[in-house]
Amino acid sequence: GAVVSQHPSWVICKSGTSVKIECRSLDFQATTMFWYRQFPKQSLMLMATSNEGSKATYEQGVEKDKFLINHASLTLSTLTVTSAHPEDSSFYICSASAAGDTQYFGPGTRLTVL
Amino acid sequence: QKEVEQDPGPLSVPEGAIVSLNCTYSNSAFQYFMWYRQYSRKGPELLMYTYSSGNKEDGRFTAQVDKSSKYISLFIRDSQPSDSATYLCAMRLTTGGGNKLTFGTGTQLKVEL
Repeated sequence: GAVVSQHPSWVICKSGTSVKIECRSLDFQATTMFWYRQFPKQSLMLMATSNEGSKATYEQGVEKDKFLINHASLTLSTLTVTSAHPEDSSFYICSASAAGDTQYFGPGTRLTVL
Repeated sequence: QKEVEQDPGPLSVPEGAIVSLNCTYSNSAFQYFMWYRQYSRKGPELLMYTYSSGNKEDGRFTAQVDKSSKYISLFIRDSQPSDSATYLCAMRLTTGGGNKLTFGTGTQLKVEL
């Protein structure tokens, strides 16, 4: 149980375009989903926390207009990187949590912005 | 000072060795403690999940929590090359902060044949 999927697993895009990443909890209802980014050989950096049906809470220093998060249902959250630039290239990982439970992570999405 | 300290390694051990991975933390309010394993270019996988002080065993893995010392450990017995990965400790509060986790930096482990 507790399987979380992400799509796509990798994406290459041109600078200035927008990219959408999906995160799904496959076998449980996730009241809360989290979005992280990870640079090579570094730990996970929390970007935002989202609860189903409400606005995401962004961590300090994360631009909410650049990283749009939508948590439309108890099994789906999306992260849209708007007007992507090369410095946005990173490994983006989502996690999902049922009420009071720990976080289960997706396999990650590698974004490369040319 | 970081809230959670973890030696980044790399730690290299021969196959079959007992591996000890550790984290220290400063916030005594942490109550839930987790160990995640992360292979290169993959998402973290939950290995162990413990509440408060004590030991928990699952196969070759044992997690220990010593809240009085603010110190947690993960032991891997009979280590295998497939255990080569980065191990992240994580912890969270009982209430408040949602289910937000505070991570260590991760320890890179290499088990050699």
